[in-house]
Amino acid sequence: EVQLVESGGGLVQPGGSLRLSCTASGFTFSVSSMNWVRQAPGEGLECVSYISSTSSSIHYADSVKGRFTISRDNAKNSLYLQMNNLRAEDTAVYYCAGGDFWSGYYPWGQGTLVTVSS
Amino acid sequence: IQLTQSPSSLSASVGDRVTITCRASQGISSYLAWYQQKPGKAPKLLIYAASTLQSGVPSRFSGSGSGTDFTLTISSLQPEDFATYYCQQLNGYPYTFGQGTKLEIK
Repeated sequence: EVQLVESGGGLVQPGGSLRLSCTASGFTFSVSSMNWVRQAPGEGLECVSYISSTSSSIHYADSVKGRFTISRDNAKNSLYLQMNNLRAEDTAVYYCAGGDFWSGYYPWGQGTLVTVSS
Repeated sequence: IQLTQSPSSLSASVGDRVTITCRASQGISSYLAWYQQKPGKAPKLLIYAASTLQSGVPSRFSGSGSGTDFTLTISSLQPEDFATYYCQQLNGYPYTFGQGTKLEIK
């Protein structure tokens, strides 16, 4: 079964840090581009970051550039998102998703909620 | 690149034919995907490359268009199709989503 499972979400104070993880199974993670997408409560979807299969290409949304860092460990079938200097507006469900520009985003994880509040 | 979906919400009945439109602020070739999202769930990929049906998605879903204007059509609505639909452009990062179209039961 193709599956992505996120972890690491939770409540954090403004200015704090959090590291999200996403573990893949059922497909060849090491050749898959990966992404983080977020959805604020009651809002639409926002692409946060992208990483190619070999980590040679990385992109960020302007809203997180300089604060978030995407990385991956192909030996562990894992994707990460290090989030620093968190703001209230970063509060959202964070999804990891596979895929690239030619294929759309598939598969998706179930999401992990990040709440930034004092 | 901004995507504008229309309508923002839509009421329809089981068996209806429904069309949702997505317009890009500049040309994106065929780098467009469509997703379905139900409350509390992750989005589900329906269509990629504007018109290619994702494996396992029912054939009542279809996509068309290129350049700036795209459509998602559901040929005969089923009860499980009532959800929110998003388009996404993948023609250069940051990839962006439309604001969503909420499809409700009439």
